[in-house]
Amino acid sequence: KQEVTQIPAALSVPEGENLVLNCSFTDSAIYNLQWFRQDPGKGLTSLLLIQSSQREQTSGRLNASLDKSSGRSTLYIAASQPGDSATYLCAPSSQGGSEKLVFGKGTKLTVNP
Amino acid sequence: GAVVSQHPSRVICKSGTSVKIECRSLDFQATTMFWYRQFPKQSLMLMATSNEGSKATYEQGVEKDKFLINHASLTLSTLTVTSAHPEDSSFYICSAIRDRGPEQYFGPGTRLTVT
Repeated sequence: KQEVTQIPAALSVPEGENLVLNCSFTDSAIYNLQWFRQDPGKGLTSLLLIQSSQREQTSGRLNASLDKSSGRSTLYIAASQPGDSATYLCAPSSQGGSEKLVFGKGTKLTVNP
Repeated sequence: GAVVSQHPSRVICKSGTSVKIECRSLDFQATTMFWYRQFPKQSLMLMATSNEGSKATYEQGVEKDKFLINHASLTLSTLTVTSAHPEDSSFYICSAIRDRGPEQYFGPGTRLTVT
C-alpha cells in the first residue's frame, strides 16, 4: 500500500526566500506524480505533473523533481511571495494505467511579508 | 481550461437525511471522475472511482450503499450520502480526468455538516 510522507509539516519563511518542500513515497512503481496547492477550505489547484519517465518539470517559479527509484520528489519555490501561502500536497499515482492518487498530509507554507 | 464545479459548496443537514452533491466538468468531457473525502488536518482519501455509464468502484472500507455514486453523463457525477450521521461530516472533493489524462482537475469541494 502506497504511503506518502511530506516534510516539513509546516514552514514559515520571509518573503523572497527560496524553499524546498519534500515528499517521499514507499512504492516506487508509480505512473506519475502531481503537486497541488490547497487554500484553506478550498479545492486543489494542480501545479505540476511529472511523468514517471521524467526527472523534473518547471512552471514559472516552481520546479519539481522526481527520483522514482528512491521514492522522493521535491518542490522548489523560488523567490517566495505571500500569495504562495497555502498547503502543498504531493500525490503519486499508481502504475498499470490507474490514475488513483495517494495524498500526503501536506506542507503548510506561510510566506511573511 | 479545465474547470470542475461542485454544488453545493456548503450543506447542513439533519441526521438521518440524505444529501446529494454534484460534480460537473464545465468545459470538457470527463470519462472518469473521482470522489475524495478530507477530514480536518488529514490527507485526502479516495472514496470511489466513477466511470460514465458504469458502476462506481469503491475503495476498501467505503460503504457503497451509503455513498451512492451516479455518473450519468460525461460532464456530471453525483454523490449521495444516504442516512447521514454526524461522523459523515467532512469535506468532499471531486476530480475529473480530461481526455485520457493523466492530470486530474479538482472541484472546489463541498463542506457537509450533519447535525
